[in-house]
Amino acid sequence: DTAVSQTPKYLVTQMGNDKSIKCEQNLGHDTMYWYKQDSKKFLKIMFSYNNKELIINETVPNRFSPKSPDKAHLNLHINSLELGDSAVYFCASSQDGTENQPQHFGDGTRLSIL
Amino acid sequence: TQLLEQSPQFLSIQEGENLTVYCNSSSVFSSLQWYRQEPGEGPVLLVTVVTGGEVKKLKRLTFQFGDARKDSSLHITAAQPGDTGLYLCAGDLGSGYALNFGKGTSLLVTP
Repeated sequence: DTAVSQTPKYLVTQMGNDKSIKCEQNLGHDTMYWYKQDSKKFLKIMFSYNNKELIINETVPNRFSPKSPDKAHLNLHINSLELGDSAVYFCASSQDGTENQPQHFGDGTRLSIL
Repeated sequence: TQLLEQSPQFLSIQEGENLTVYCNSSSVFSSLQWYRQEPGEGPVLLVTVVTGGEVKKLKRLTFQFGDARKDSSLHITAAQPGDTGLYLCAGDLGSGYALNFGKGTSLLVTP
């Protein structure tokens, strides 16, 4: 059973379009995250949610809007896609937001903007 | 702001060699985590070090947390092709809600 699953795995679209990436975790965790990994493999936090509530928004453009319908899901909607949005986006979860918690990652969604 | 400096960025060695990856910062972390990422997959946790000076071993991998909790190292003994991958260190500043990742070390072990 996949612990953290995200769909789609690949997303190719044109500049200006709107797209969504879905994420679900079956670990019973309270906290979920979105990370962006650029072409140089640098992994940077975008958002973190705890029990459906936004905890961290790391100066991400407001074209990116996360939504958490319940604590097992954290979806990412992106409006007006730009070339610079091309990256691999990872969803992750942890038991809760206390310190030193390991994070469990999905396999990523590779977003390519044409 | 890049909190964690990881080195080297790339490493290509032959099977059987030893190697060390370093993760340095001027910030104090409540813990340092090491992840390994393979192509097309997400990072997978290898170990978490919490106490200053702590040493943890995972088969041929040895992880150390600096006494001041500002740096960490990963040493691999007798590397094997199966060790090939991207190694990432990540620091927790204490909030738990965000990990600060280093830029990664891409390791290639050839037979």
